Amino acid sequence: DGGITQSPKYLFRKEGQNVTLSCEQNLNHDAMYWYRQDPGQGLRLIYYSQIVNDFQKGDIAEGYSVSREKKESFPLTVTSAQKNPTAFYLCASSIGGVGYNEQFFGPGTRLTVL
Amino acid sequence: SQQGEEDPQALSIQEGENATMNCSYKTSINNLQWYRQNSGRGLVHLILIRSNEREKHSGRLRVTLDTSKKSSSLLITASRAADTASYFCATGNSGGSNYKLTFGKGTLLTVNP
Repeated sequence: DGGITQSPKYLFRKEGQNVTLSCEQNLNHDAMYWYRQDPGQGLRLIYYSQIVNDFQKGDIAEGYSVSREKKESFPLTVTSAQKNPTAFYLCASSIGGVGYNEQFFGPGTRLTVL
Repeated sequence: SQQGEEDPQALSIQEGENATMNCSYKTSINNLQWYRQNSGRGLVHLILIRSNEREKHSGRLRVTLDTSKKSSSLLITASRAADTASYFCATGNSGGSNYKLTFGKGTLLTVNP
């Protein structure tokens, strides 16, 4: 099956810990994205990558980091510098031309800080 | 700040009725897209309409775009209980930031059986 997978589905973190959220796609898409969704806030862009070994900050990048070493993978690290990390995190990909093409979303990871 | 704003925030209708959701935006766009999200799930792409298009259909979905008013509408005809979900519009901007897809806060649609 082609698609985007995210793991884990639920993640609990203690304050002060870094955690990494996984995102993998087998759609052969060049572009990948990370969004954060809070209740009543819609989706906000954290980071995006148009091609391997390249990525750009989105609207709310502070306290997050990413890497894009492989076309298929775009992991997101939520660092201890992120003051309010509890949220639903969504990964997406598209063929290319960010903003021009439909995006395909993974099932999401719900992160809770204890 | 978010580009698209959906209206209404919540909509409750009976099965078989039509549902209309609206989206307004502020700056020039290259395209506008509608997505659906079931509770606790990822988003699913419904339809994309480009700035030079005025109307598009897909099954029971009809999307219109009025660039002069900077607004779009999504019509779902003959709604079903399974259509219950949140619906988001997203704009692909033209100009310097033509690589971001900016989402609105969504309309929560409830279709009662």
